[in-house]
Amino acid sequence: DAMVIQNPRYQVTQFGKPVTLSCSQTLNHNVMYWYQQKSSQAPKLLFHYYDKDFNNEADTPDNFQSRRPNTSFCFLDIRSPGLGDAAMYLCATSGGGSSYNEQFFGPGTRLTVL
Amino acid sequence: KNQVEQSPQSLIILEGKNCTLQCNYTVSPFSNLRWYKQDTGRGPVSLTIMTFSENTKSNGRYTATLDADTKQSSLHITASQLSDSASYICVVSAEKSGGYNKLIFGAGTRLAVHP
Repeated sequence: DAMVIQNPRYQVTQFGKPVTLSCSQTLNHNVMYWYQQKSSQAPKLLFHYYDKDFNNEADTPDNFQSRRPNTSFCFLDIRSPGLGDAAMYLCATSGGGSSYNEQFFGPGTRLTVL
Repeated sequence: KNQVEQSPQSLIILEGKNCTLQCNYTVSPFSNLRWYKQDTGRGPVSLTIMTFSENTKSNGRYTATLDADTKQSSLHITASQLSDSASYICVVSAEKSGGYNKLIFGAGTRLAVHP
């Protein structure tokens, strides 16, 4: 089945230790998004890629970076995680053109910072 | 400021009962509105999506309505099941130039269905 896959589902890291979260998709979608969702809050868009074009949200901290080596994969790098970065990180994809809006979400990676 | 507000914040109902969740938005220019279901610890899954010209859309036991004049939407769940226990998120798409429509998320309504 075509889908959005996130690995790992649960990630534990230490304060200040870099961590990378992974997202892959078999939908062949042009656009990939990363969201941060804290407990009982709405998802907050961090950035998105339209093909190779990176689009950062204005309020996304520099501590968060992203890479998209090819259509299928997108990575979220947190350079120096703080306690406040503990959250669920959601990856989503959407097609270009008229289907640009419909976003399909992965299951999320729950990040714990010790 | 583009905002999406949902009510109630949380809701408990008995299995088999119906319920209605509300969503009010101030998003302009409006592109579309969708309802997502998010199970605990999982990613959101789309239930319905409606454009400006649509005022109702059904997906099984889920029926969404949209009043673009009053900028209100509702999600009605019929004959609730235990598996309906989840957060329901209202998401409005703001139309922007250049083709990218930013999604504005509500905080969600947390529904608990009890036996």
